[in-house]
Amino acid sequence: KQEVTQIPAALSVPEGENLVLNCSFTDSAIYNLQWFRQDPGKGLTSLLLIQSSQREQTSGRLNASLDKSSGRSTLYIAASQPGDSATYLCAVRAGSYQLTFGKGTKLSVIP
Amino acid sequence: NAGVTQTPKFQVLKTGQSMTLQCAQDMNHNSMYWYRQDPGMGLRLIYYSASEGTTDKGEVPNGYNVSRLNKREFSLRLESAAPSQTSVYFCASRPTGHNEQFFGPGTRLTVL
Repeated sequence: KQEVTQIPAALSVPEGENLVLNCSFTDSAIYNLQWFRQDPGKGLTSLLLIQSSQREQTSGRLNASLDKSSGRSTLYIAASQPGDSATYLCAVRAGSYQLTFGKGTKLSVIP
Repeated sequence: NAGVTQTPKFQVLKTGQSMTLQCAQDMNHNSMYWYRQDPGMGLRLIYYSASEGTTDKGEVPNGYNVSRLNKREFSLRLESAAPSQTSVYFCASRPTGHNEQFFGPGTRLTVL
């Protein structure tokens, strides 16, 4: 059974700092990996999706990498801002479009 | 486009009561999903529908039923609510041939 782990569970950084969020998965036979953002009391917003054949995806200050063979992905956030404060979730798709989610990393960016 | 909408936003039930959570999408997506999110756990798939008229069980289907009423709507029914079903419920949809899922704002359900 696929398991997704996100470390750390919570992270607090000062504004302007670059940071990395980690995601690991136990079964490397995945189709893709998706990073989401969730604000308190809100739904999920898709940030980046990396296909299994890709190594990374970029959107603005966000860069996500994927190392399928080692079962790892990282989300890099450059020049963090207080508006980046949220919970970040990663999810992998292993088949039939079903996603397996990690528990998330709660990020606080301190002004 | 409203995207994925869910009603109600909040609901409190007593043990044994029944209710239906509604989800609708206006993006003409074929696939729709119901997840639950519990503290300290990742989102878990309850049921999904690959297309109108089809539904399949996900990871945690016990205690729930679903109906794919038409292409737009996918409802989740609790026939006899239990405290263990206290959770936040999210509906999502996905266009055919694409991987990205689009989520609704969630329904916060408390069962007393």
